[in-house]
Amino acid sequence: AQSVTQLGSHVSVSEGALVLLRCNYSSSVPPYLFWYVQYPNQGLQLLLKYTTGATLVKGINGFEAEFKKSETSFHLTKPSAHMSDAAEYFCAVSFASGAGSYQLTFGKGTKLSVIP
Amino acid sequence: GAVVSQHPSRVICKSGTSVKIECRSLDFQATTMFWYRQFPKQSLMLMATSNEGSKATYEQGVEKDKFLINHASLTLSTLTVTSAHPEDSSFYICSARNQNEQFFGPGTRLTVL
Repeated sequence: AQSVTQLGSHVSVSEGALVLLRCNYSSSVPPYLFWYVQYPNQGLQLLLKYTTGATLVKGINGFEAEFKKSETSFHLTKPSAHMSDAAEYFCAVSFASGAGSYQLTFGKGTKLSVIP
Repeated sequence: GAVVSQHPSRVICKSGTSVKIECRSLDFQATTMFWYRQFPKQSLMLMATSNEGSKATYEQGVEKDKFLINHASLTLSTLTVTSAHPEDSSFYICSARNQNEQFFGPGTRLTVL
Protein backbone atom coordinates (compact mmCIF):
# COMPACT_ATOMS: atom_id res chain seq x y z
CA ALA A 1 0.00 0.00 0.00
CA GLN A 2 1.14 3.51 -0.64
CA SER A 3 0.50 6.65 1.36
CA VAL A 4 1.45 10.29 1.42
CA THR A 5 2.01 12.54 4.40
CA GLN A 6 2.18 16.28 4.07
CA LEU A 7 3.58 17.95 7.14
CA GLY A 8 1.71 21.10 7.98
CA SER A 9 -1.81 21.73 6.79
CA HIS A 10 -1.08 25.44 6.62
CA VAL A 11 2.17 27.24 5.84
CA SER A 12 2.63 31.01 5.84
CA VAL A 13 5.58 32.77 4.30
CA SER A 14 6.43 36.36 3.55
CA GLU A 15 6.55 37.54 -0.02
CA GLY A 16 10.06 36.94 -1.32
CA ALA A 17 10.85 34.29 1.28
CA LEU A 18 11.70 30.66 0.66
CA VAL A 19 8.79 28.28 0.23
CA LEU A 20 9.21 24.77 1.61
CA LEU A 21 6.32 22.32 1.57
CA ARG A 22 7.07 18.91 2.97
CA CYS A 23 5.97 15.57 1.61
CA ASN A 24 6.89 12.09 2.74
CA TYR A 25 5.64 8.93 1.14
CA SER A 26 5.54 5.22 1.66
CA SER A 27 5.52 2.79 -1.21
CA SER A 28 6.51 -0.82 -1.56
CA VAL A 29 7.70 -0.26 -5.12
CA PRO A 30 9.56 2.60 -6.81
CA PRO A 31 7.13 5.48 -6.80
CA TYR A 32 6.13 8.16 -9.19
CA LEU A 33 5.77 11.42 -7.29
CA PHE A 34 3.76 14.51 -8.11
CA TRP A 35 2.98 17.96 -6.82
CA TYR A 36 -0.28 19.63 -7.79
CA VAL A 37 -1.57 23.11 -7.08
CA GLN A 38 -5.23 23.97 -6.60
CA TYR A 39 -6.61 27.48 -6.64
CA PRO A 40 -10.00 28.13 -5.02
CA ASN A 41 -12.89 26.40 -6.75
CA GLN A 42 -10.65 25.02 -9.44
CA GLY A 43 -9.25 21.64 -10.38
CA LEU A 44 -5.69 20.51 -9.94
CA GLN A 45 -2.79 21.71 -12.02
CA LEU A 46 0.38 19.68 -12.25
CA LEU A 47 3.40 21.56 -10.93
CA LEU A 48 6.01 18.87 -11.45
CA LYS A 49 6.56 15.15 -11.32
CA TYR A 50 9.28 12.62 -10.75
CA THR A 51 9.24 9.30 -12.53
CA THR A 52 12.81 8.23 -13.19
CA GLY A 53 16.17 9.84 -13.81
CA ALA A 54 17.33 13.08 -12.24
CA THR A 55 16.14 13.38 -8.68
CA LEU A 56 15.89 17.16 -8.76
CA VAL A 57 12.83 18.05 -10.76
CA LYS A 58 11.99 21.52 -11.97
CA GLY A 59 8.41 22.51 -12.55
CA ILE A 60 6.32 25.46 -13.51
CA ASN A 61 6.21 28.82 -11.76
CA GLY A 62 9.73 28.43 -10.38
CA PHE A 63 8.97 25.41 -8.20
CA GLU A 64 11.23 22.43 -7.84
CA ALA A 65 11.31 19.26 -5.79
CA GLU A 66 13.95 16.69 -4.94
CA PHE A 67 13.30 12.99 -4.66
CA LYS A 68 15.29 11.59 -1.75
CA LYS A 69 14.86 7.86 -1.60
CA SER A 70 16.77 7.47 1.66
CA GLU A 71 14.43 9.92 3.35
CA THR A 72 11.31 8.86 1.38
CA SER A 73 10.72 12.53 0.77
CA PHE A 74 9.71 14.77 -2.10
CA HIS A 75 9.67 18.27 -0.64
CA LEU A 76 8.57 21.19 -2.80
CA THR A 77 10.56 24.41 -2.79
CA LYS A 78 10.62 27.81 -4.38
CA PRO A 79 13.37 30.33 -3.63
CA SER A 80 11.14 33.40 -3.52
CA ALA A 81 7.42 33.38 -2.80
CA HIS A 82 5.06 35.47 -4.85
CA MET A 83 1.57 36.53 -3.88
CA SER A 84 0.17 34.46 -6.72
CA ASP A 85 1.62 31.32 -5.12
CA ALA A 86 -1.07 31.39 -2.44
CA ALA A 87 -3.04 28.19 -3.03
CA GLU A 88 -3.52 24.62 -1.85
CA TYR A 89 -0.73 22.21 -2.71
CA PHE A 90 -1.12 18.46 -2.93
CA CYS A 91 1.59 15.85 -3.02
CA ALA A 92 0.67 12.56 -4.68
CA VAL A 93 2.27 9.19 -5.22
CA SER A 94 1.60 6.43 -7.66
CA PHE A 95 3.38 3.53 -9.18
CA ALA A 96 3.14 1.91 -12.58
CA SER A 97 1.45 -1.45 -12.65
CA GLY A 98 2.19 -4.21 -15.11
CA ALA A 99 -1.06 -3.39 -16.83
CA GLY A 100 0.24 0.06 -17.65
CA SER A 101 -2.18 1.81 -15.34
CA TYR A 102 -1.68 3.56 -12.04
CA GLN A 103 -3.68 5.24 -9.36
CA LEU A 104 -2.81 8.48 -7.62
CA THR A 105 -2.87 8.66 -3.85
CA PHE A 106 -3.04 12.21 -2.55
CA GLY A 107 -1.80 13.79 0.62
CA LYS A 108 -4.17 15.92 2.65
CA GLY A 109 -2.85 19.11 1.19
CA THR A 110 -1.00 22.16 2.47
CA LYS A 111 -2.49 25.59 2.21
CA LEU A 112 0.16 28.16 1.40
CA SER A 113 -0.45 31.74 2.45
CA VAL A 114 1.85 34.52 1.27
CA ILE A 115 2.08 37.60 3.45
CA PRO A 116 2.80 40.90 1.72
CA GLY B 1 -0.97 20.37 -21.82
CA ALA B 2 -4.13 18.42 -22.42
CA VAL B 3 -7.45 19.94 -21.41
CA VAL B 4 -10.23 18.33 -19.44
CA SER B 5 -13.54 20.13 -19.12
CA GLN B 6 -16.41 19.63 -16.73
CA HIS B 7 -19.97 20.77 -17.01
CA PRO B 8 -21.62 22.30 -15.12
CA SER B 9 -19.14 24.15 -12.95
CA ARG B 10 -21.77 24.75 -10.31
CA VAL B 11 -25.14 23.18 -9.69
CA ILE B 12 -27.74 23.65 -7.00
CA CYS B 13 -30.54 21.12 -6.74
CA LYS B 14 -33.31 20.08 -4.45
CA SER B 15 -33.04 17.02 -2.28
CA GLY B 16 -34.28 13.92 -4.08
CA THR B 17 -33.41 15.02 -7.58
CA SER B 18 -30.65 13.63 -9.78
CA VAL B 19 -27.74 15.57 -11.15
CA LYS B 20 -25.51 14.68 -14.08
CA ILE B 21 -21.96 15.95 -14.38
CA GLU B 22 -20.07 15.66 -17.65
CA CYS B 23 -16.35 15.26 -18.05
CA ARG B 24 -14.69 15.62 -21.42
CA SER B 25 -11.14 15.30 -22.63
CA LEU B 26 -10.98 17.98 -25.28
CA ASP B 27 -7.85 17.23 -27.23
CA PHE B 28 -6.94 13.67 -26.45
CA GLN B 29 -8.50 10.27 -26.05
CA ALA B 30 -8.61 9.16 -22.46
CA THR B 31 -7.91 5.52 -21.82
CA THR B 32 -9.11 5.91 -18.28
CA MET B 33 -11.18 8.48 -16.43
CA PHE B 34 -11.39 9.02 -12.71
CA TRP B 35 -13.94 10.68 -10.46
CA TYR B 36 -12.89 12.29 -7.21
CA ARG B 37 -14.76 13.95 -4.41
CA GLN B 38 -13.31 16.70 -2.31
CA PHE B 39 -14.76 17.93 0.95
CA PRO B 40 -13.92 21.43 2.17
CA LYS B 41 -10.30 21.79 3.18
CA GLN B 42 -9.62 18.13 2.53
CA SER B 43 -7.85 16.07 -0.04
CA LEU B 44 -9.25 14.38 -3.09
CA MET B 45 -10.84 11.02 -2.48
CA LEU B 46 -11.06 8.68 -5.42
CA MET B 47 -14.61 7.53 -6.00
CA ALA B 48 -14.29 5.38 -9.08
CA THR B 49 -12.18 4.54 -12.08
CA SER B 50 -13.71 3.91 -15.47
CA ASN B 51 -12.47 2.65 -18.78
CA GLU B 52 -14.33 3.29 -21.99
CA GLY B 53 -16.95 0.70 -22.70
CA SER B 54 -16.66 -1.13 -19.42
CA LYS B 55 -18.17 -0.84 -15.99
CA ALA B 56 -16.60 1.53 -13.53
CA THR B 57 -14.57 0.24 -10.60
CA TYR B 58 -15.78 1.85 -7.41
CA GLU B 59 -13.72 2.46 -4.32
CA GLN B 60 -14.74 0.90 -1.08
CA GLY B 61 -17.57 2.75 0.56
CA VAL B 62 -18.83 4.43 -2.61
CA GLU B 63 -22.39 3.45 -3.50
CA LYS B 64 -22.61 2.26 -7.07
CA ASP B 65 -26.34 2.86 -7.31
CA LYS B 66 -26.05 6.37 -6.01
CA PHE B 67 -23.12 7.51 -8.11
CA LEU B 68 -23.72 6.23 -11.61
CA ILE B 69 -20.78 6.47 -13.94
CA ASN B 70 -21.01 6.08 -17.68
CA HIS B 71 -17.94 6.14 -19.88
CA ALA B 72 -19.54 6.10 -23.28
CA SER B 73 -16.57 7.16 -25.36
CA LEU B 74 -12.87 7.87 -25.12
CA THR B 75 -13.58 11.53 -24.58
CA LEU B 76 -16.67 11.56 -22.36
CA SER B 77 -17.55 10.26 -18.93
CA THR B 78 -20.58 11.22 -16.88
CA LEU B 79 -21.29 11.03 -13.17
CA THR B 80 -24.91 11.02 -12.11
CA VAL B 81 -25.70 11.63 -8.48
CA THR B 82 -29.08 9.97 -8.02
CA SER B 83 -31.60 11.03 -5.42
CA ALA B 84 -29.23 13.64 -4.11
CA HIS B 85 -29.23 14.58 -0.45
CA PRO B 86 -27.54 17.45 1.39
CA GLU B 87 -24.70 15.18 2.47
CA ASP B 88 -23.84 14.71 -1.22
CA SER B 89 -22.94 18.38 -1.44
CA SER B 90 -19.30 18.49 -2.37
CA PHE B 91 -16.75 19.40 -5.01
CA TYR B 92 -16.52 16.72 -7.67
CA ILE B 93 -13.44 16.57 -9.85
CA CYS B 94 -12.91 14.35 -12.84
CA SER B 95 -9.62 13.34 -14.31
CA ALA B 96 -8.66 11.82 -17.62
CA ARG B 97 -5.57 9.85 -18.38
CA ASN B 98 -3.78 9.34 -21.64
CA GLN B 99 -0.80 7.08 -22.01
CA ASN B 100 1.56 9.25 -20.03
CA GLU B 101 -0.23 11.58 -17.66
CA GLN B 102 -3.38 12.29 -15.72
CA PHE B 103 -5.15 15.59 -16.29
CA PHE B 104 -7.76 17.14 -14.04
CA GLY B 105 -10.95 18.97 -14.80
CA PRO B 106 -11.86 22.27 -13.11
CA GLY B 107 -14.38 20.62 -10.82
CA THR B 108 -18.11 20.87 -10.22
CA ARG B 109 -19.53 22.36 -7.05
CA LEU B 110 -22.70 20.51 -6.12
CA THR B 111 -25.01 21.97 -3.50
CA VAL B 112 -28.06 19.97 -2.49
CA LEU B 113 -30.70 21.93 -0.64
